[in-house]
Amino acid sequence: QQPVQSPQAVILREGEDAVINCSSSKALYSVHWYRQKHGEAPVFLMILLKGGEQKGHEKISASFNEKKQQSSLYLTASQLSYSGTYFCGTEVSYDYKLSFGAGTTVTVRA
Amino acid sequence: EAGVAQSPRYKIIEKRQSVAFWCNPISGHATLYWYQQILGQGPKLLIQFQNNGVVDDSQLPKDRFSAERLKGVDSTLKIQPAKLEDSAVYLCASSHGTGNTEAFFGQGTRLTVV
Repeated sequence: QQPVQSPQAVILREGEDAVINCSSSKALYSVHWYRQKHGEAPVFLMILLKGGEQKGHEKISASFNEKKQQSSLYLTASQLSYSGTYFCGTEVSYDYKLSFGAGTTVTVRA
Repeated sequence: EAGVAQSPRYKIIEKRQSVAFWCNPISGHATLYWYQQILGQGPKLLIQFQNNGVVDDSQLPKDRFSAERLKGVDSTLKIQPAKLEDSAVYLCASSHGTGNTEAFFGQGTRLTVV
């Protein structure tokens, strides 16, 4: 079952922050975050495992709330290069299928 | 390290014709995924292989789509016959295994069915 992402789209000015949420109705083993630029393949950002570990990539970080089966991606002090569509991918605890959400389109303007 | 290779990059066919896509994963990667990405949507998992065995193909339209991974390496995805709604980018990805491993994506094949 595909995870649910919100919001669908975000428009930011450089330097602003944003949060993207990803939730699942099933018990998750891991959450993956990817960014896809127009016409390109998705690029890996980070993986979070159950246990609430928080990870970071440049000024992009994420958390995983195992009790809520929810992950959040934090874009801090956004840069123009952060523009793209962010997808969360989830693996449930019993079959490890990697399923993706519908994506959140982030536009960062100067 | 060479990435995931896919071919062709683009394909235009008429409805009811057949088409095949090829994927060469990163060397040593046991898990291979095929995704369908319709414009403006997230990647939809069609089939997931672990070596040459199928882990999941629950969303593969088996009346027209087929996939195989011979010898646990290269994989082909076939559509026969194609429908207009099959127009999409078909992405292949691979990873060392399942769980806690990054998936690497190929550039994809953009299919247009007219």
